[in-house]
Amino acid sequence: GDSVTQKQGQVTLSEDDFLFINCTYSTTTYPTLLWYVQYLGQGPQLLLKVTTANNKGISRGFEATYDKGTTSFHLQKASVQESDSAVYFCALVDWDGSSGNKLIFGIGTLLSVKP
Amino acid sequence: DAGVTQTPRHEVAEKGQTIILKCEPVSGHNDLFWYRQTKIQGLELLSYFRSKSLMEDGGAFKDRFKAEMLNSSFSTLKIQPTEPKDSAVYLCASSLWLWGYNYAEQFFGPGTRLTVL
Repeated sequence: GDSVTQKQGQVTLSEDDFLFINCTYSTTTYPTLLWYVQYLGQGPQLLLKVTTANNKGISRGFEATYDKGTTSFHLQKASVQESDSAVYFCALVDWDGSSGNKLIFGIGTLLSVKP
Repeated sequence: DAGVTQTPRHEVAEKGQTIILKCEPVSGHNDLFWYRQTKIQGLELLSYFRSKSLMEDGGAFKDRFKAEMLNSSFSTLKIQPTEPKDSAVYLCASSLWLWGYNYAEQFFGPGTRLTVL
């Protein structure tokens, strides 16, 4: 079945550091890939979306590029701020041809940014 | 616009009790999801409704977990009886599903943190 793998459980950075969170996926269909962000005490919210049509998603300084060859969808940001501290989830749309609105989530990466 | 509302925000239960969590989706949305969130398992789908019809009832959770949509603007998740391993954050999400699209953004509520003693 379809799956996503997010290996980094926790990342600790200082302000202005470069952020890179790894995510790989497995699917037999054309993927729609998402990154969600969850701030403390809140539910997850969509950060960005990438499909095979656009290959790249950009939002709030974050960027993710779809790479079919490596089946990866890494999240990057050039310069993190303390306010970026949150849990980041990658997700894959679980398309079964009829009710394609389910998501398969990665385990999540807790980003802590020190001032 | 009101987002997804969940009540209560925190719930403490004794082992064996029955608890009911509540969710009000975004007005007009036709898909509703219940998830369980833990650090070890991450986000797990419990139930999925479309226009009040049950689309998926997450297999491993069937025996003690029951989600219902009483109407298009209200859903409940009942856990009966509760066990300490049910301690987690329970999230409700909704989306507006349109035919011809393979994905509709899910909007999440703030969650209910359940602690079972």
